Amino acid sequence: RKEVEQDPGPFNVPEGATVAFNCTYSNSASQSFFWYRQDCRKEPKLLMSVYSSGNEDGRFTAQLNRASQYISLLIRDSKLSDSATYLCVVNSGGFKTIFGAGTRLFVKA
Amino acid sequence: NAGVTQTPKFQVLKTGQSMTLQCAQDMNHEYMSWYRQDPGMGLRLIHYSVGAGITDQGEVPNGYNVSRSTTEDFPLRLLSAAPSQTSVYFCASKEVGQDGYGYTFGSGTRLTVV
Repeated sequence: RKEVEQDPGPFNVPEGATVAFNCTYSNSASQSFFWYRQDCRKEPKLLMSVYSSGNEDGRFTAQLNRASQYISLLIRDSKLSDSATYLCVVNSGGFKTIFGAGTRLFVKA
Repeated sequence: NAGVTQTPKFQVLKTGQSMTLQCAQDMNHEYMSWYRQDPGMGLRLIHYSVGAGITDQGEVPNGYNVSRSTTEDFPLRLLSAAPSQTSVYFCASKEVGQDGYGYTFGSGTRLTVV
């Protein structure tokens, strides 16, 4: 079993739609959680950290469920520019950071 | 600010050749690392460093060497290239103890070994 698992997608959604991604992690001692965005043939860039209380940044909302060991990313009012691969990232302390393989999103006009 | 700079952006090697991928950062970050990204597998940690003179192995270190003589530079050496090392390589850095700020990545090196 992979330490961090994501649905690879692709998710194909129309502009304006709401889309949600989930990510599960296996290490219950994991301490910090992130979502990164990666455009085609580009480097990953930090989208947002994920806090236990949940957090929001504009159209993006991240949630953490420690009991079930998953994190989620909700994108509201999808834009064409949201098309990318979204990476779930889990840190289990120290320098052990695990990247998920990513979920591909295509937003269409 | 340049952030994290990687060179070269593309490279083709023949099996058995050696080369060095360069990585430099200007943010005074103590932590630097090298990842490789292969389709469907996510980023995998090759080697990392928590400061000048300190390096350690990650998940997939075989066939690679690193050194950290300065805070700014963290080169990755391929000792004898193999087709299995065809991949996209990313260098990343972050401030130690600042987990919430995540990593800053370089733009990547696309390596093909033939």
